[in-house]
Amino acid sequence: DAKTTQPPSMDCAEGRAANLPCNHSTISGNEYVYWYRQIHSQGPQYIIHGLKNNETNEMASLIITEDRKSSTLILPHATLRDTAVYYCIVRVAGGGTSYGKLTFGQGTILTVHP
Amino acid sequence: ETGVTQTPRHLVMGMTNKKSLKCEQHLGHNAMYWYKQSAKKPLELMFVYSLEERVENNSVPSRFSPECPNSSHLFLHLHTLQPEDSALYLCASSRKANTEAFFGQGTRLTVV
Repeated sequence: DAKTTQPPSMDCAEGRAANLPCNHSTISGNEYVYWYRQIHSQGPQYIIHGLKNNETNEMASLIITEDRKSSTLILPHATLRDTAVYYCIVRVAGGGTSYGKLTFGQGTILTVHP
Repeated sequence: ETGVTQTPRHLVMGMTNKKSLKCEQHLGHNAMYWYKQSAKKPLELMFVYSLEERVENNSVPSRFSPECPNSSHLFLHLHTLQPEDSALYLCASSRKANTEAFFGQGTRLTVV
């Protein structure tokens, strides 16, 4: 699976949009971009994923560049409860030996402050 | 609540003890996973089960022994652990390869 690069930490004011970048310049055509977050000492929580089109759900929006080499997770109105480590992961679709596995990096520590 | 339940939430065990971690999901998922998260380290994949068959073992020491008796349950049997095995152990499941994985809340293991 392709490696991702994320800033180690970011700050955001409560109520503002949080834009978390991720570089994945070696992504392959069959790899999806996934975002998870982990609030302290809890299990990771799925946020959103996409292949090449922008995606939106009730939690966030995912913007993938046209060349697919980078993406941005957008939390439109950050709250204090969004303080967490955010992981950007690229992963092969389909079965085989990569069956569903996620390779986590260090992620971005997002701190939302009042 | 993700639908993946892990028990116990916390466990303290001695190096000579034998214990088991349990994971349960009733989401109809076909794949289940064990991950380990040590302090200040990324999550590390330990084992992958697909349709109750182990399809991946990431060089995990034999003192960790997984068992998947059916598609809804996954165990991690522990014996003769070391203090450095203290970590958060996370279970996850997914419907199939290209769908999202759901994680349990984890078991915080302390080996003394």
